[in-house]
Amino acid sequence: GAGVSQSPSNKVTEKGKDVELRCDPISGHTALYWYRQRLGQGLEFLIYFQGNSAPDKSGLPSDRFSAERTGESVSTLTIQRTQQEDSAVYLCASSSGGLVAEAFFGQGTRLTVV
Amino acid sequence: AQSVTQLGSHVSVSEGALVLLRCNYSSSVPPYLFWYVQYPNQGLQLLLKYTSAATLVKGINGFEAEFKKSETSFHLTKPSAHMSDAAEYFCAVSHFGNEKLTFGTGTRLTIIP
Repeated sequence: GAGVSQSPSNKVTEKGKDVELRCDPISGHTALYWYRQRLGQGLEFLIYFQGNSAPDKSGLPSDRFSAERTGESVSTLTIQRTQQEDSAVYLCASSSGGLVAEAFFGQGTRLTVV
Repeated sequence: AQSVTQLGSHVSVSEGALVLLRCNYSSSVPPYLFWYVQYPNQGLQLLLKYTSAATLVKGINGFEAEFKKSETSFHLTKPSAHMSDAAEYFCAVSHFGNEKLTFGTGTRLTIIP
């Protein structure tokens, strides 16, 4: 596609429910990143994929968070048993070859847990 | 460990005036440094990056940044602000072999007509 696509753009969920956030990277990009941006804060790194494997998942805040990537393409970030502190904008980025190559960001998914 | 500090969460400048957005970093190894811009309702876009070549880096839209190791700084400048520069700007740091970008908290730039 022309750019990184994320869906849904907005998601409101009740506390305790599970949510899935989707990222479609730019075709051919091998590297994929997930970040979280809470109100008034910088972007927090969550996880990095190279191909379908995740060499760095050190930023996942708890075992309620998981992510997978299939076919070196689409990635899904899953949050189980959502809590109010999970409310944030979740951003996905992809690049052709790691950080020195430019990372392209999607517009994000705004998650609100009520 | 690495971190970024952006001084000033909000900066206002008059149209035509100098833009200066400050970024200081902390890194135990030689850093890679980045500036990203986020326009309203859009994703983050790379403005420029420093990856150990020339210390003065030129980016898109007339922006540039200078890596100063002695000051651990990577401030973003533009000689003459334009209304279209109004956006949020993020400084970020990483280093060779580390795919994790560590971001600052951002600076919202407002241009006064």
